[in-house]
Amino acid sequence: DAGITQSPRHKVTETGTPVTLRCHQTENHRYMYWYRQDPGHGLRLIHYSYGVKDTDKGEVSDGYSVSRSKTEDFLLTLESATSSQTSVYFCAITADRYEQYFGPGTRLTVT
Amino acid sequence: TQLLEQSPQFLSIQEGENLTVYCNSSSVFSSLQWYRQEPGEGPVLLVTVVTGGEVKKLKRLTFQFGDARKDSSLHITAAQPGDTGLYLCAGTFGNEKLTFGTGTRLTIIP
Repeated sequence: DAGITQSPRHKVTETGTPVTLRCHQTENHRYMYWYRQDPGHGLRLIHYSYGVKDTDKGEVSDGYSVSRSKTEDFLLTLESATSSQTSVYFCAITADRYEQYFGPGTRLTVT
Repeated sequence: TQLLEQSPQFLSIQEGENLTVYCNSSSVFSSLQWYRQEPGEGPVLLVTVVTGGEVKKLKRLTFQFGDARKDSSLHITAAQPGDTGLYLCAGTFGNEKLTFGTGTRLTIIP
């Protein structure tokens, strides 16, 4: 257990509304990641962070922004949610080099 | 963007049988990891391999990394219903970011 929690665990929202997902870790790991998981696509990296206020884009970053003001929290924001952003979102941390540990996921539905 | 191919996509076998699933890349991995994911949960790390030809065992699971570090296999002996899940391989290619395959969905029939 890498001490990762995600909130909310489930959310239904309407197209055009802003949404923020939170990832919280308890063990001061430097690297944190946001992925989305969709059928047929596996896990795809949205954004990642390598320290407080240090973030970078992944392969599917369009429509998403992130912030990391504290080591323990990594926020993912959908500025204006679209139906194509309906997905399951996972947060992860890197404990040792290359090995990632995942949170329980957030199921987001955009109607 | 690196591509990882996993095969088969779906596998359904009887309890007690053996099986092998595969992960292939056109590029050389720096490291490769295998995860198992159950419905409603995040992926859980099973093993990491970094050396070409490396073999690791985890109870009834045997993981092999190809000599050229471009492929890997996961072999399960005497499969049990608890082995049911989505098996994902993921690789690094010179940095800390993981690229995931699309997974093999395994069902063990009691």
